[in-house]
Amino acid sequence: DTEVTQTPKHLVMGMTNKKSLKCEQHMGHRAMYWYKQKAKKPPELMFVYSYEKLSINESVPSRFSPECPNSSLLNLHLHALQPEDSALYLCASSLRGTSGILNTGELFFGEGSRLTVL
Amino acid sequence: DAKTTQPNSMESNEEEPVHLPCNHSTISGTDYIHWYRQLPSQGPEYVIHGLTSNVNNRMASLAIAEDRKSSTLILHRATLRDAAVYYCIMAVYGQNFVFGPGTRLSVLP
Repeated sequence: DTEVTQTPKHLVMGMTNKKSLKCEQHMGHRAMYWYKQKAKKPPELMFVYSYEKLSINESVPSRFSPECPNSSLLNLHLHALQPEDSALYLCASSLRGTSGILNTGELFFGEGSRLTVL
Repeated sequence: DAKTTQPNSMESNEEEPVHLPCNHSTISGTDYIHWYRQLPSQGPEYVIHGLTSNVNNRMASLAIAEDRKSSTLILHRATLRDAAVYYCIMAVYGQNFVFGPGTRLSVLP
């Protein structure tokens, strides 16, 4: 299994809703990443988990709350979002963790969850 | 932030080689050079990566300048399916993958 699976593929939510995005991989990878991508822009790094611990938070607003319950699963909890948060949210994983290790290897990306905030 | 610069767009004819350049003048000795591409409506896809030496795989070749301040991704025979946005990433310590603006490659039949 060489896939990163993201659900749901599409999500529409109001500004007062609470929802979650889910990402799963069964490749034994030890680092997992959330990226946000607006139309015609490159992906922007949001969070990195290494060995199930948050290692990078790129100053993301607290209305985005990541969670890594185990090494295969990564969630992104969404609450009180704004319309400008509408974007494609991409999950990725890499074989090695980022903690003091040189070269985590290549990133494997999911197809993304397209979020629309009304 | 790790910074790379790439041309906004390039065009190629089908079945011809394509050379996609990238500048990473602030690179240090432990930073890896990664290339990814993104087809419409898909997540980015790994293409190739390297540290110092030139690298080849089934998708492409990566030529790294001797001073490591620039690199070139080489697609040996472009096909219509290679039309995508190509991102060059300077991965600090081989991690912390921050995407640059990318090059949109068009392939003409």
